Amino acid sequence: QVQLVQSGAEVEKPGASVKVSCKASGYTFSPSAMHWVRQAPGQRLEWMGWIDTGNGNTKYSQKFQGRVTFISDTPASTVYLEVRGLRSEDTAVYYCARGQDSANDYWGQGTLVSVSS
Amino acid sequence: SYDLTQAPSVSVSPGQTAIIACSGDKLGEKYVCWYQQKSGQSPVLVIYQDSKRPSGIPERFAGSNSGNTATLTISGTQAMDEADYYCQVWDGSTVLFGGGTELTVL
Repeated sequence: QVQLVQSGAEVEKPGASVKVSCKASGYTFSPSAMHWVRQAPGQRLEWMGWIDTGNGNTKYSQKFQGRVTFISDTPASTVYLEVRGLRSEDTAVYYCARGQDSANDYWGQGTLVSVSS
Repeated sequence: SYDLTQAPSVSVSPGQTAIIACSGDKLGEKYVCWYQQKSGQSPVLVIYQDSKRPSGIPERFAGSNSGNTATLTISGTQAMDEADYYCQVWDGSTVLFGGGTELTVL
């Protein structure tokens, strides 16, 4: 069965960087699409972008362009999200989600990133 | 920029039909999907490509999309259906979520 397992919660100070991992299993990792979505406390889901694990091509939401990087490690069946220059507004649960048929059919369990001085 | 609008909340009695709407300009020309998110959990895909149900999703969940409005209909609503529901579209090469609708079953 398809599973996406994310790394554990992180606590960071403003200005720091964070890297979240998402390990996939149960399907052919490459090529495929992996999206990142975040959700601030009590807020809506917010799409951050996606990566094509076959060729490493990325598409970032304009809001995150330049501050976020997606990386795919095919031998490890793992994708990574790096967020730089963290601010308090980045406190959120970050999800990876597989892209399929114009939807996200499987989601990771989420990683809470807390930004506080 | 493109925007999707959902009502913040909908209430329904157990066994009745819940209708959750998502509106956007010419939305009927795009594929819409719907997610259910229960408190403290990851979202679950319940409808994709306007009206298709993923494996394991009960038949009481149905979707439609026409004109400027997409609709998620839950027939015979059960207490377990209480959750937030989000619509989503692909707009070119980007993805957009609606603001979410909180469904209360009371």
